[in-house]
Amino acid sequence: GQNIDQPTEMTATEGAIVQINCTYQTSGFNGLFWYQQHAGEAPTFLSYNVLDGLEEKGRFSSFLSRSKGYSYLLLKELQMKDSASYLCAVRDGLNNAGNMLTFGGGTRLMVKP
Amino acid sequence: DSGVTQTPKHLITATGQRVTLRCSPRSGDLSVYWYQQSLDQGLQFLIQYYNGEERAKGNILERFSAQQFPDLHSELNLSSLELGDSALYFCASSVDATSGSYNEQFFGPGTRLTVL
Repeated sequence: GQNIDQPTEMTATEGAIVQINCTYQTSGFNGLFWYQQHAGEAPTFLSYNVLDGLEEKGRFSSFLSRSKGYSYLLLKELQMKDSASYLCAVRDGLNNAGNMLTFGGGTRLMVKP
Repeated sequence: DSGVTQTPKHLITATGQRVTLRCSPRSGDLSVYWYQQSLDQGLQFLIQYYNGEERAKGNILERFSAQQFPDLHSELNLSSLELGDSALYFCASSVDATSGSYNEQFFGPGTRLTVL
C-alpha cells in the first residue's frame, strides 16, 4: 500500500518562495506527480519526477529523493493566483497492471499580499 | 480545458436512489479513472478502465460500478445512495503509452453529487 503525508495548510506572502514537502512510504514506486487544484475545480498537472533530483518548470520546481521517500514542490515569485491546494501523488507501477495514482491529502496554500 | 468532459456538472438526488455519471476521455486516451473527493478527504481512487477492460480497483464500494464502452467513454453507476456519498466525482484519462510519456492523468471538471 501507499502512505503519503503533506502539510495540511501553508501561508506565504506574494513575491516570496514557498516549499511544500511530501513524504511517502510505498510498496512500489514508479513516479511522483504534483497537481494543483483550485477550490471546486479539477486538479491540473504540474510536474513529474521518477529519478532523483530537481525538475524545473518556470516558477515551479519539484525535487525527488527516492532513498528518503521525499519530494518537495518549490514555488517562486508567488502570485495571488497560486492560492490553491497542491496534491502530491505516487504511482505504483507503469505496466499492464495499471497507472494508478495514490494522492496525499493536499496542502492548501494561501498567498497573502 | 483538459479535453476530458463529464456530465452532469451537478446532481441532486435522494437517499436510496441510483445515478449514472458520464465521462468522455481526451481524444486518443485509452485509460479512464474515477476518483471521489469528499470535503474531509483527499482524492480517493475508485477504479481504472483501459480500452474497455477493468485495469485497477481502489476502495470502490460494492454499491458502485463502472464500465467503459467501445467508444471509450465511461460511466460510473452509484446505487442505494447514502448521505455520505455526497462528493465531487472526477474522471481522468491518460494515454498509457509504454514509453516516452509521463502518462499523466488529465482530469475532467467533475460532477458534484449531493444526496439529500
